Amino acid sequence: NAGVMQNPRHLVRRRGQEARLRCSPMKGHSHVYWYRQLPEEGLKFMVYLQKENIIDESGMPKERFSAEFPKEGPSILRIQQVVRGDSAAYFCASSPRGKSSYNEQFFGPGTRLTVL
Amino acid sequence: QQQVKQSPQSLIVQKGGISIINCAYENTAFDYFPWYQQFPGKGPALLIAIRPDVSEKKEGRFTISFNKSAKQFSLHIMDSQPGDSATYFCAAIETGTASKLTFGTGTRLQVTL
Repeated sequence: NAGVMQNPRHLVRRRGQEARLRCSPMKGHSHVYWYRQLPEEGLKFMVYLQKENIIDESGMPKERFSAEFPKEGPSILRIQQVVRGDSAAYFCASSPRGKSSYNEQFFGPGTRLTVL
Repeated sequence: QQQVKQSPQSLIVQKGGISIINCAYENTAFDYFPWYQQFPGKGPALLIAIRPDVSEKKEGRFTISFNKSAKQFSLHIMDSQPGDSATYFCAAIETGTASKLTFGTGTRLQVTL
């Protein structure tokens, strides 16, 4: 019974490159959330997705960041033209349902992005 | 805008002592308040949670106290153990209209022998 899986666990990119972070939710979970954790800070919500739909992207930077959760395959957080300020730990969480009642969000181990 | 304020930033407690972490929130629409525990290199894991219609919830050595009128809640860890050394995050969520967790800034707890 695997938990939330994220890969890669560590990613190093040079300024201007693209970063792709992958998240496979727990079995049976159709809701995915992405959070970003800057050093010595709490987690900040970025985006909430269901299969093939973005439900809430109020925490996503307006430029360079995008997310998808296709019908098949993992959810992907994509950061184009990375800058040093993008260096952070990116966590994915999944839950069986979203609104209407609280369902625990199970977190993955995170992807630690370092931009050189 | 920091909607959930957490203190202290770091805490050192002797083994067997009580660890207390405090949080305050601003948004009165929040109706569920979980606490997460995070070990280095790992993702956060749910520890205990409370709804505002309850003033206290206890699970083993972990207790949440909730003061709705003051918009404050706290985590108490009784008989703290070295294995409790981790970063603790309080969080809040509006279950009816949104699903995103709003986290506090975290408290790094170190339990010494």
